[in-house]
Amino acid sequence: QSALTQPRSVSGSPGQSVTISCTGTSSDVGGYNYVFWYQQHPGKAPKLMIYDVTKRPSGVPDRFSGSKSGNTASLTISGLQAEDESDFYCGSFAGNSWVFGGGTKVTVL
Amino acid sequence: EVQLVESGGDLVQPGGSLRLSCAASGLTFSNYNMNWVRQAPGKGLEWISYIHSGGNTIWYANSVRGRFTISRDNAKNSLYLQMNSLRDEDTAVYHCATSGGYRFGYWGQGTLVTVSS
Repeated sequence: QSALTQPRSVSGSPGQSVTISCTGTSSDVGGYNYVFWYQQHPGKAPKLMIYDVTKRPSGVPDRFSGSKSGNTASLTISGLQAEDESDFYCGSFAGNSWVFGGGTKVTVL
Repeated sequence: EVQLVESGGDLVQPGGSLRLSCAASGLTFSNYNMNWVRQAPGKGLEWISYIHSGGNTIWYANSVRGRFTISRDNAKNSLYLQMNSLRDEDTAVYHCATSGGYRFGYWGQGTLVTVSS
């Protein structure tokens, strides 16, 4: 049950694309297609942005997309907007548990 | 509107105990699997426990197994977390969250547990 590895921060200018990586193991990210991504603004509850690696809940803009290769999942934000500035957490089902990443702060320059 | 409202957070000394509650409304609570997820100050999310909708399957993270006990009362639309032998590193905001399809759906705003002497 070790935490997934995410970069501590990424940044981009408005309109640019940024990608956040999320590296786990064959026991979590690599072993299940149940990777998810949450966005969290300060003092707020997490909001689901991507689930089952690539799926977007209703209401999430298609600027957000997910993918996975082996033990590493990725979240890409295209057309970066000011309101995207927040923390993003990846996570994965891991059998009889879940594991999260340490979080990535997205800064819009 | 679905609401999950946590309560019971407090300042407690190391080695002490605390019981958290999560009151659910706006959903058929007995149909939902439930979890506790915590977030230490300035840190990331950590899943700590799961209970099946019927209460018959329970999982714990290694970090809390043997010290924390999750339970639910479907008649009262409530989820609980009994926390014993608390440590400094248990200091966090504790959220309850529904799970379905291997992801977390509805979240509460959380209740703060501070373990300090």
